Amino acid sequence: NAGVTQTPKFQVLKTGQSMTLQCAQDMNHNSMYWYRQDPGMGLRLIYYSASEGTTDKGEVPNGYNVSRLNKREFSLRLESAAPSQTSVYFCASLVRPGTYHFGDGTRLSIL
Amino acid sequence: DAKTTQPPSMDCAEGRAANLPCNHSTISGNEYVYWYRQIHSQGPQYIIHGLKNNETNEMASLIITEDRKSSTLILPHATLRDTAVYYCIVRPSIYISSGSARQLTFGSGTQLTVLP
Repeated sequence: NAGVTQTPKFQVLKTGQSMTLQCAQDMNHNSMYWYRQDPGMGLRLIYYSASEGTTDKGEVPNGYNVSRLNKREFSLRLESAAPSQTSVYFCASLVRPGTYHFGDGTRLSIL
Repeated sequence: DAKTTQPPSMDCAEGRAANLPCNHSTISGNEYVYWYRQIHSQGPQYIIHGLKNNETNEMASLIITEDRKSSTLILPHATLRDTAVYYCIVRPSIYISSGSARQLTFGSGTQLTVLP
């Protein structure tokens, strides 16, 4: 998807390792979001940032931290990865209320 | 937020109209109906939304019943590239400064398979 870029696209980690998922948008949107998607669970909100300099917890924040580095970038960090965090992670920015622009996801496996 | 109910799967022949139903019987007067889709290995994609009037854009049409308890997303001429999971979501229109109103709750959706 043009507009929201996520890196890396795939990653395999060992339990206890740390890593940062990167997200950048070039649409000048104020609000950005991190979701995870597990089979049969739909998308669940991890953290969001309503504007540069602010972050808030979503539905499933435990085990994650975020940084809104600037208006373009919103990163998600796993300090000590656990197998339960194996998932597909999506970053999104808010076009207007209710309308999101999503990236293509990061597929993360934790062994 | 109102809960939505969608069939888990549907098939449609290529070139025919795909009609995807959604039940939202507990919807309240200030809640919008949104539709997204997710093609395999991609992020969700916004399709259309509406409050009570029927809506149409370049991707689809949205028909909302007069009592607003259900809606139908119509893809007028389905192609193989329309094979995806389609999500019907209800969201309040009232802005909440905390940002929580900007969240959408994605359920399991309907897996639409367009057959050649």
